[in-house]
Amino acid sequence: EIVLTQSPGTLSLSPGERATLSCRASQSVDSGYLAWYQQKPGQAPRLLIYGASSRAPGVSDRFSGSGSGTDFTLTISRLEPEDFAMYYCQQYDSSPRTFGQGTKVEIK
Amino acid sequence: QVTLEESGPVLVKPTETLTLTCTVSGFSFSNARMGVTWIRQPPGKALEWLAHIFSNDERSYNTSLKSRLTISEDTSKSQVVLTMTNMDPVDTATYYCARNPGDEYDISGYYTLDYWGQGTLVTVSS
Repeated sequence: EIVLTQSPGTLSLSPGERATLSCRASQSVDSGYLAWYQQKPGQAPRLLIYGASSRAPGVSDRFSGSGSGTDFTLTISRLEPEDFAMYYCQQYDSSPRTFGQGTKVEIK
Repeated sequence: QVTLEESGPVLVKPTETLTLTCTVSGFSFSNARMGVTWIRQPPGKALEWLAHIFSNDERSYNTSLKSRLTISEDTSKSQVVLTMTNMDPVDTATYYCARNPGDEYDISGYYTLDYWGQGTLVTVSS
């Protein structure tokens, strides 16, 4: 199965700054079938990015995804107060599907 | 409006079998490539993918939990059921179901997870 490793574990930034989150796969996600989710405390995850780079409906253009093969990135261009949360990547290229362990974006 | 709602016991005893139901509305489970996935999250920990079932009856399970999991669907009731046998305190978690949107997305999004239930916390304790 594909193991996803996210880094860093925690990202401490100020509002207005740029956030760069990494997701590395143990083997190639050939089709680019990688998604990013945002989760706030007490809430279910929310789909942000699918297919490595496509924004889900209603998602702000502050969020962008990139990457291919084994290395993927989620970028938040200018952090807004509501963006401080946990972020998970997930591959759906092969079964079993797997999630990364998450990156927490916290206010510095 | 697409909704998913998890239901089941809030407390189970060790060695018991857990049965969770995901009731969906606002979409037809019979649509091409559409599916439902179960995910769990222990308190303070990461998401863990458990199982999925698709409209073509394809099923897949978490490798390490495969022997304990069964996923099934009742299209007439718009429900997907997950059973997990031999429950242990380490299985204490919030259990979510989520939709795989199939043809409602372009091909790169068929199997992502676009709508989620609010989750149900299951505690395993004697």
